[in-house]
Amino acid sequence: DAGVIQSPRHEVTEMGQEVTLRCKPISGHDYLFWYRQTMMRGLELLIYFNNNVPIDDSGMPEDRFSAKMPNASFSTLKIQPSEPRDSAVYFCAIVGGRAPGANVLTFGAGSRLTVL
Amino acid sequence: KQEVTQIPAALSVPEGENLVLNCSFTDSAIYNLQWFRQDPGKGLTSLLLIQSSQREQTSGRLNASLDKSSGRSTLYIAASQPGDSATYLCAARLSLATYKYIFGTGTRLKVLA
Repeated sequence: DAGVIQSPRHEVTEMGQEVTLRCKPISGHDYLFWYRQTMMRGLELLIYFNNNVPIDDSGMPEDRFSAKMPNASFSTLKIQPSEPRDSAVYFCAIVGGRAPGANVLTFGAGSRLTVL
Repeated sequence: KQEVTQIPAALSVPEGENLVLNCSFTDSAIYNLQWFRQDPGKGLTSLLLIQSSQREQTSGRLNASLDKSSGRSTLYIAASQPGDSATYLCAARLSLATYKYIFGTGTRLKVLA
């Protein structure tokens, strides 16, 4: 997990509230991904960026979800307004760059979101 | 549309057994395939990556094979240990042009001491 820092690790919020999840890649990379994991649907790709530019957002469930990557060291996933069905673990992952093992998908520890 | 399936969904074995986890994909035109391990409450850790041109990769007690023509990959774990207990997921990268990975739903492994 050392390559990607996610915050918060746990978030409990009420339906209708805005939620912002954060991702800080520590190591160099070319691509950054946001995934969502639930028991019912497994791991789903929401969006991914290449050199800070969104490449494929076809997995973003609806307009309530948005993601940004203002620079190579920071990305956010925002849900506004949140709904109970958004409850899941959200993972950030990176790949690419020049370091050894850069072609391996490296995940953060995840942010567990519970929407009441 | 690429679909990745892992069978069985759960597996329980006594310590010391050799075991095989299966991963099937519907479209054989993949670029590579990765096997991951996920411990409860943690992120995924990459175990092995096999390029489409390779047949297998080995790391310690782990050996992963890839048969593109049949749409299958297997993860072989030798001499299993209680510390191997985790969920194992495979993921297929669709092509060189995209970094899109399609994940299987995983096999939850429990190795009994």
